[in-house]
Amino acid sequence: AQKITQTQPGMFVQEKEAVTLDCTYDTSDPSYGLFWYKQPSSGEMIFLIYQGSYDQQNATEGRYSLNFQKARKSANLVISASQLGDSAMYFCAMRESTINNDMRFGAGTRLTVKP
Amino acid sequence: SQTIHQWPATLVQPVGSPLSLECTVEGTSNPNLYWYRQAAGRGLQLLFYSVGIGQISSEVPQNLSASRPQDRQFILSSKKLLLSDSGFYLCAWSGTGETFGYTFGSGTRLTVV
Repeated sequence: AQKITQTQPGMFVQEKEAVTLDCTYDTSDPSYGLFWYKQPSSGEMIFLIYQGSYDQQNATEGRYSLNFQKARKSANLVISASQLGDSAMYFCAMRESTINNDMRFGAGTRLTVKP
Repeated sequence: SQTIHQWPATLVQPVGSPLSLECTVEGTSNPNLYWYRQAAGRGLQLLFYSVGIGQISSEVPQNLSASRPQDRQFILSSKKLLLSDSGFYLCAWSGTGETFGYTFGSGTRLTVV
């Protein structure tokens, strides 16, 4: 079963505006981590932000914040004040606390920032 | 600090030729190591992961194999490449536990012709 769902294949945002990229997840593990990565056209995977399942507050890293709604099992990425350099693929991922806890990735959302 | 090196960056190989992609990690010991493949514009498909020397787990049966001859070295191989092996290959390492994210190499873009 799909554990990470990103329902937006593509998104457009005007420069300087905020944008929310959706991510829902499925797990029965009470302890897990949620991650967002950015992949520009060069292909490198850049870590953006992390949220632990027991964290009480939403994670923030500069212009990135994670809107964590545990009961709804959603972990949306919010990018404030979009810049042209934010145009990229964005992947949501989850890692559970099981022994062979490899990370599971969503299908990704391609964000395009318009000037 | 920890760094991960992956090479080559690009590779064009004929069908039926062998393949060897190498990934090494510095600055940590006993890392978890991973090989992913990504088709153009698509998500990441986990191919292999390793939690220790000589320990390889395969997620998808395929034309590829992986080996971990040293603690911080992970190699992706094929004896005979297929056209369908084309894609972007990413190596990654992590610690053990759900709080550890992955650190990725810069990737290898493989085109089989």
